Amino acid sequence: EPEVTQTPSHQVTQMGQEVILRCVPISNHLYFYWYRQILGQKVEFLVSFYNNEISEKSEIFDDQFSVERPDGSNFTLKIRSTKLEDSAMYFCASRGDGGSGGYTFGSGTRLTVV
Amino acid sequence: GDSVTQMEGPVTLSEEAFLTINCTYTATGYPSLFWYVQYPGEGLQLLLKATKADDKGSNKGFEATYRKETTSFHLEKGSVQVSDSAVYFCALRDSGNTPLVFGKGTRLSVIA
Repeated sequence: EPEVTQTPSHQVTQMGQEVILRCVPISNHLYFYWYRQILGQKVEFLVSFYNNEISEKSEIFDDQFSVERPDGSNFTLKIRSTKLEDSAMYFCASRGDGGSGGYTFGSGTRLTVV
Repeated sequence: GDSVTQMEGPVTLSEEAFLTINCTYTATGYPSLFWYVQYPGEGLQLLLKATKADDKGSNKGFEATYRKETTSFHLEKGSVQVSDSAVYFCALRDSGNTPLVFGKGTRLSVIA
């Protein structure tokens, strides 16, 4: 069964450093997403990406965040200058063109900012 | 905006007990409804879905029926197992390309 792959599984970074979280969505999917889950809390939408541009973003997705699909297979989330409160599990997801379809999620990257 | 409300957890049940996790939603359009499961240390897995009123989604013994009149999508299983211990998330996606919206999740612990 096709999978969404995320790397790394766990990243520790110092406050103020830049991090890039990587995702390889399912190859024939067209819609891509980043979500985050602060420990023990709800899963929050960050951003959606379609046709090589952001289609929607939440209030959480401020100027510190950016997304890119650099080579047609990878989908990255960059946090420019990490803060302690960015510590969370970050999930990538993708969806095909089916109107009523659910998303396929990756296993997540646990980001710890120290 | 769209929102999902789930019953508060944690829920602790004995093996073979009946499970219900309540979920209600608010949506501006005509959403598709989902249940996702997160096993310890893992990501989110789609458990089941329903795309229109009165549809019943089912998988692995779990069921949920899309009730438009009560705006609900309660998750049920007749006989839970220890391996069902996980966090369960109700979610909706409104029409078009709006993003998936999750409830807060309900932690289920099943004891032998």
